Amino acid sequence: KNQVEQSPQSLIILEGKNCTLQCNYTVSPFSNLRWYKQDTGRGPVSLTIMTFSENTKSNGRYTATLDADTKQSSLHITASQLSDSASYICVVSGGSGGGADGLTFGKGTHLIIQP
Amino acid sequence: NAGVTQTPKFQVLKTGQSMTLQCAQDMNHNSMYWYRQDPGMGLRLIYYSASEGTTDKGEVPNGYNVSRLNKREFSLRLESAAPSQTSVYFCASRPDARLGTEAFFGQGTRLTVV
Repeated sequence: KNQVEQSPQSLIILEGKNCTLQCNYTVSPFSNLRWYKQDTGRGPVSLTIMTFSENTKSNGRYTATLDADTKQSSLHITASQLSDSASYICVVSGGSGGGADGLTFGKGTHLIIQP
Repeated sequence: NAGVTQTPKFQVLKTGQSMTLQCAQDMNHNSMYWYRQDPGMGLRLIYYSASEGTTDKGEVPNGYNVSRLNKREFSLRLESAAPSQTSVYFCASRPDARLGTEAFFGQGTRLTVV
């Protein structure tokens, strides 16, 4: 069964600190992996996409990594800001016998940045 | 840039009432989707429309119906609302249904059934 597991479920850090969110998946075959940011009361917005051949990709203070061999991805946030408070959802595209949309969603990590 | 627009943003229904959630996209996308998001769970697919004129069931279709009105609009109808349908509903669109294409989400509709 296609699964995406995210950890931690929730995280509280002080403004200015760094943090790393984890995503493990069992989706096969793999097409790509996206990290979405979901602000409270809003819809998810894509932060970055990782394909099979990519190991690292940065988008400002966000850096995503992918290890396709171990089926793990991480999202590192540098010098956190209050506006980073949100849920971060890992979404893997691919999988045989999976959802009709070809997507498997993680449950998200709820990140709170404290001043 | 409106993207994906959902209406209403909030709704309270009594058990047994019906309502339609509206969704429109202005990105000329072919594929549109309805998801529900519940606490502690990932987004779950209710129905989708791979292209104009087609609709198909997703993972949790019971109690819902959909209409792909035209290329822009995709509505979700609850014929007889139940408390189990209390959730946040998201509409999404994608350029097409091929694997790997990015999903663009609306702001969501928070529905409470009492």
